[in-house]
Amino acid sequence: ETGVTQTPRHLVMGMTNKKSLKCEQHLGHNAMYWYKQSAKKPLELMFVYNFKEQTENNSVPSRFSPECPNSSHLFLHLHTLQPEDSALYLCASSQELAGETQYFGPGTRLLVL
Amino acid sequence: GDSVTQMEGPVTLSEEAFLTINCTYTATGYPSLFWYVQYPGEGLQLLLKATKADDKGSNKGFEATYRKETTSFHLEKGSVQVSDSAVYFCALSDYRDDKIIFGKGTRLHILP
Repeated sequence: ETGVTQTPRHLVMGMTNKKSLKCEQHLGHNAMYWYKQSAKKPLELMFVYNFKEQTENNSVPSRFSPECPNSSHLFLHLHTLQPEDSALYLCASSQELAGETQYFGPGTRLLVL
Repeated sequence: GDSVTQMEGPVTLSEEAFLTINCTYTATGYPSLFWYVQYPGEGLQLLLKATKADDKGSNKGFEATYRKETTSFHLEKGSVQVSDSAVYFCALSDYRDDKIIFGKGTRLHILP
């Protein structure tokens, strides 16, 4: 498998549930990113990891918890979400930070009921 | 801080029409400039990029030229197809920063 993959592609969860989104990149990149894409809003950067270390947390609520066990895998753990958290969550990777092209996965479409 | 401004959509054109989507940027350094495209139900894909002034990025019939004097990176295509219907994002990245700054996106509809 090549590129950036994300699972699941679609997720429906209640506000009391705990779920995790998974991202895997097969490109040998060192940096990985989580973005949130909501209807009629700009793309929002959530987290940045470089060589497994978090370098950016863009004021994201603590109900979103990222985990990067190695340079190829990135998780987003979700708990006690709100309906306004419903969105498309995109994972991306790049060779390095700073000026590099980012490669995106297909996204996880999340609906919080 | 750095920012990207692109024209509001949606843009609706007939097949074979000429396309321009305007993009201007504000940056204190010398950023790389990108156009990404997002087809329905998919993530963003890099369409083209330019890394320095006067560079022209091109791909799939699309072109954009890095204009430092006007701080612009307008996307053009001479003859659009129905399959070009998507959302197009202009973006910049500065080597001093660890993120890409995206514009709000322009939705393009091509009618057969």
